Amino acid sequence: QVQLQESGPGLVKSSGTLSLTCGVSDDPIASLNWWSWVRQPPGKGLEWIGEIFHDGRARYNPSLKSRVSIKVDKYKNEFSLKLSSVTAADTAVYYCARLNAAIAVKLGDAWFDPWGQGILVTVSS
Amino acid sequence: QSLLTQPPSMSAAPRQRVTISCSGSSSNIGNNAVSWYQQLPGKAPKRLIYYDDLVPSGVSARFSGSKSGTSASLAISGLQFEDEADYYCATWDDSLSAWVFGGGTKLTVL
Repeated sequence: QVQLQESGPGLVKSSGTLSLTCGVSDDPIASLNWWSWVRQPPGKGLEWIGEIFHDGRARYNPSLKSRVSIKVDKYKNEFSLKLSSVTAADTAVYYCARLNAAIAVKLGDAWFDPWGQGILVTVSS
Repeated sequence: QSLLTQPPSMSAAPRQRVTISCSGSSSNIGNNAVSWYQQLPGKAPKRLIYYDDLVPSGVSARFSGSKSGTSASLAISGLQFEDEADYYCATWDDSLSAWVFGGGTKLTVL
């Protein structure tokens, strides 16, 4: 059973950089799937942050692109997220998820499964 | 304001059938597959439907999905108290070049 697990600091200072890692078990990250980050502010909906392929190709939400960087480490079977210049608006539960693209006709037909349990990151002033 | 519009809340009695709508445009639902997710209180989202209407193994057959043009729907039949959750639709938007989620629908089982 594929499992994803987020890890990292739960508290980040305003104007600092948020850094999270997602460990993947029972599925090689060097597959035909993409690996994603999604966040959810308290009491609000889901927002896609970005995703990465094992060869390093990444796609980002245009609204966050200037502040986001996603990297992959095939040897550790994990991928990471960095979000710079954070403010209180970046306080959210951050989820990592596998984007199932291997059997999709095109990338736009893919779906997110499974998801990690999520990690709450609070930006403090 | 999400590009995918869902009703913020719905309610129904046990054993009834409810349909949650997700309205988009030609650049998202009209050209890409839709997936649906269930989020129980305090939990991570869970895939319910993929490729518009496919139900993965392990998900109850009481859940079904459909799509027509630029709108998609999630139907839940034989409602149970355990179905009380937030439901989200998602798809790729070709114009934005981004994955978009609906605003979410909070389902209450009365």
